Amino acid sequence: GAVVSQHPSWVICKSGTSVKIECRSLDFQATTMFWYRQFPKQSLMLMATSNEGSKATYEQGVEKDKFLINHASLTLSTLTVTSAHPEDSSFYICSAHPAGSSYEQYFGPGTRLTVT
Amino acid sequence: KQEVTQIPAALSVPEGENLVLNCSFTDSAIYNLQWFRQDPGKGLTSLLLIQSSQREQTSGRLNASLDKSSGRSTLYIAASQPGDSATYLCAVRHQAGTALIFGKGTTLSVSS
Repeated sequence: GAVVSQHPSWVICKSGTSVKIECRSLDFQATTMFWYRQFPKQSLMLMATSNEGSKATYEQGVEKDKFLINHASLTLSTLTVTSAHPEDSSFYICSAHPAGSSYEQYFGPGTRLTVT
Repeated sequence: KQEVTQIPAALSVPEGENLVLNCSFTDSAIYNLQWFRQDPGKGLTSLLLIQSSQREQTSGRLNASLDKSSGRSTLYIAASQPGDSATYLCAVRHQAGTALIFGKGTTLSVSS
């Protein structure tokens, strides 16, 4: 089946630093990737939609200058949290929509970010 | 704006019980609905996907129903087992290829 990987699986960084999270579709091409954030005991909230070769579309309330998304190839999207603050600590999950698929999405295992 | 609500928020049952998890959504114009399982600190496992034209889907001990006009879905788990303990998330999609809108989930605990 289709596999989506995320790297790193967990990361600890200091306030003010930046951290990059990678989302890869391992055995299919993804024209669209989605980035979600999940706070403890909360649901997944969509942050942005990333289309290969174009700028990401951010949801209302998500700072595009703080959460930089790059989708440079059909198998890789990256999320960079810039100038991280403790309130950015969360579980970040990506999902990938295969090219040519009408409804399926495949989710990555998530990245746990802790900002100290 | 679409809102997805799941009731109950938490549920504890003894092993062997049949149980029902509920999901409701405010905008009935959905493309499909999907149920996921999430273990603590882990990603999502897709359980069942129901297209808007379908009424139900079954996989093993799981059965999901969809009443699109009333904005409701249920996930039925038969003969629950301790291994079923997890958080169950309901999510809807409005168009093909678009993002999912999630509920907050129901955390299930099955005791042996």
